[in-house]
Amino acid sequence: GAVVSQHPSWVICKSGTSVKIECRSLDFQATTMFWYRQFPKQSLMLMATSNEGSKATYEQGVEKDKFLINHASLTLSTLTVTSAHPEDSSFYICSARDSLEDHNEQFFGPGTRLTVL
Amino acid sequence: GQNIDQPTEMTATEGAIVQINCTYQTSGFNGLFWYQQHAGEAPTFLSYNVLDGLEEKGRFSSFLSRSKGYSYLLLKELQMKDSASYLCAALDSNYQLIWGAGTKLIIKP
Repeated sequence: GAVVSQHPSWVICKSGTSVKIECRSLDFQATTMFWYRQFPKQSLMLMATSNEGSKATYEQGVEKDKFLINHASLTLSTLTVTSAHPEDSSFYICSARDSLEDHNEQFFGPGTRLTVL
Repeated sequence: GQNIDQPTEMTATEGAIVQINCTYQTSGFNGLFWYQQHAGEAPTFLSYNVLDGLEEKGRFSSFLSRSKGYSYLLLKELQMKDSASYLCAALDSNYQLIWGAGTKLIIKP
């Protein structure tokens, strides 16, 4: 089946530093990848849609200069949280859509837990 | 606006059957997904319905009525490991997933 990996699984950083999270589709090509954020006991919140070779589409209220997304290949998208602050602490999850599949299922990575001190 | 409604929490007994309902209002419709999410983990795919009717997959079944904007997830022979949140998500006309807040299912022995 389709597998999506994320790295790192968890990260602790100091306030003001930048953190990069990688999302890879391991056995399929993903033209489109999605980045979500999930706070405790809340549902997934879509942050942005990442399309290979073009600029990401950000949801309303998500700062594109703070959450930098790069989707340089069909199997890799990265999310960089710049100048992280404690309120950015959350569970970040990526998902990828198989370019060859018809029914638009999104395959999720295992998530990255970010804690900003 | 676009909206997904599902109960916040449900409780059921091990070995029993539980039905989790979901109603949706979206701009266009390209199918409905159910995902399972254990605490601290990413969601995992359970089912996808785009046509009316019941899709059965082992102990889990999912039903869709497009005319009513309604779906349910049916879990049979409940096991303790089924304790999780169950997320309903509808795919709108732009092929974007609209997520419900999730239903936390508590299984009691």
